[in-house]
Amino acid sequence: DGGITQSPKYLFRKEGQNVTLSCEQNLNHDAMYWYRQDPGQGLRLIYYSQIVNDFQKGDIAEGYSVSREKKESFPLTVTSAQKNPTAFYLCASDPGQDNSPLHFGNGTRLTVT
Amino acid sequence: EDKVVQSPLSLVVHEGDTVTLNCSYEVTNFRSLLWYKQEKKAPTFLFMLTSSGIEKKSGRLSSILDKKELFSILNITATQTGDSAIYLCARRHNNAGNMLTFGGGTRLMVKP
Repeated sequence: DGGITQSPKYLFRKEGQNVTLSCEQNLNHDAMYWYRQDPGQGLRLIYYSQIVNDFQKGDIAEGYSVSREKKESFPLTVTSAQKNPTAFYLCASDPGQDNSPLHFGNGTRLTVT
Repeated sequence: EDKVVQSPLSLVVHEGDTVTLNCSYEVTNFRSLLWYKQEKKAPTFLFMLTSSGIEKKSGRLSSILDKKELFSILNITATQTGDSAIYLCARRHNNAGNMLTFGGGTRLMVKP
């Protein structure tokens, strides 16, 4: 089955450590996105990539970094510079065609103590 | 400003009730408005609205967009406990990509 796989589902880290969240898709989609969701809130865009080897900052990119070396993969690193990293992180993709809906992964819940 | 505002923030109803969820936005020039349902993990796509006044239906769910008044509503009739979820609306930006700006969501709880 085609889809988006995020791993791990749950991640626990100590403050000051960098952590990388994985996102892989086999949908052959060009565009990929990372969103952050806090309790009771909607989704906020961290980074997005419309094509391999290219990515842009979203609304809340500070303290995060990404890479897009392969079409299938768009890992997100949460650095120690991110002041409030505890959140639910969602990866999404779309084929890049006009008005195609985003497809989401099942998310990674990151807890930093 | 590029805000998408959803109301109410949360709603508790009983099975069989009809609910109306609201989504308002501020940008007049955009490509489409989308509704998603989020239970525990990944949001699942419900509707995409591009034209004003044309209702989209899927079973007990329906949605409509009013581009003049800058809002959309999502109706759920004869609610069931399985409708309990967070409902998200999102405005698609009017650029080459498919970026979305999401509202804060409405948390719906349907009691038996």
